[in-house]
Amino acid sequence: QKEVEQDPGPLSVPEGAIVSLNCTYSNSAFQYFMWYRQYSRKGPELLMYTYSSGNKEDGRFTAQVDKSSKYISLFIRDSQPSDSATYLCAMSAKPTDSWGKLQFGAGTQVVVTP
Amino acid sequence: GAVVSQHPSRVICKSGTSVKIECRSLDFQATTMFWYRQFPKQSLMLMATSNEGSKATYEQGVEKDKFLINHASLTLSTLTVTSAHPEDSSFYICSATTGWSSNQPQHFGDGTRLSIL
Repeated sequence: QKEVEQDPGPLSVPEGAIVSLNCTYSNSAFQYFMWYRQYSRKGPELLMYTYSSGNKEDGRFTAQVDKSSKYISLFIRDSQPSDSATYLCAMSAKPTDSWGKLQFGAGTQVVVTP
Repeated sequence: GAVVSQHPSRVICKSGTSVKIECRSLDFQATTMFWYRQFPKQSLMLMATSNEGSKATYEQGVEKDKFLINHASLTLSTLTVTSAHPEDSSFYICSATTGWSSNQPQHFGDGTRLSIL
């Protein structure tokens, strides 16, 4: 069993809809949770970074962490065609500048249709 | 801020060639850099972690002599794929973290697509 599970999709939504993405994990030591967006042939771009449980909002993006359920979510409101990309969840037990290794999900491909 | 530049973006070369990939942090000092490999439609797999001025720590199954990593300064790390073969063809991505304080995430370069003929 993988430490981080993420549905690879593709997830297709109409423009303006809410995109809902999630990951589950098995390692209760994970405390740092991230969402990255990766366009084709590009490196991942950090979208959201949260520590421990709770919600965090940044513009159209909302990240939620439920450590009791080992479940994290990313919501994208008012989706745009430019949001079409692969979204990767990542998590770590320690801060990455303290040699904390990131465990990535497989990534969910999102397609926002005009 | 937190820009990571990776060069080259694309390499095509013959089997047996050694290829060097550079990873630079442009606007911050990166005490720790990471090297990943990504196959099509798969997630990133960590290859090694490098700290400035010390030897890299390789993940299980990654050949140290095959993938040489040098982190000579706070803004530059290099990955050299020695005597590359077609099975080494992949997308290689580096990331860097500031190390100035805890809770700093990794910032990624745009990757290098390596094709070995």
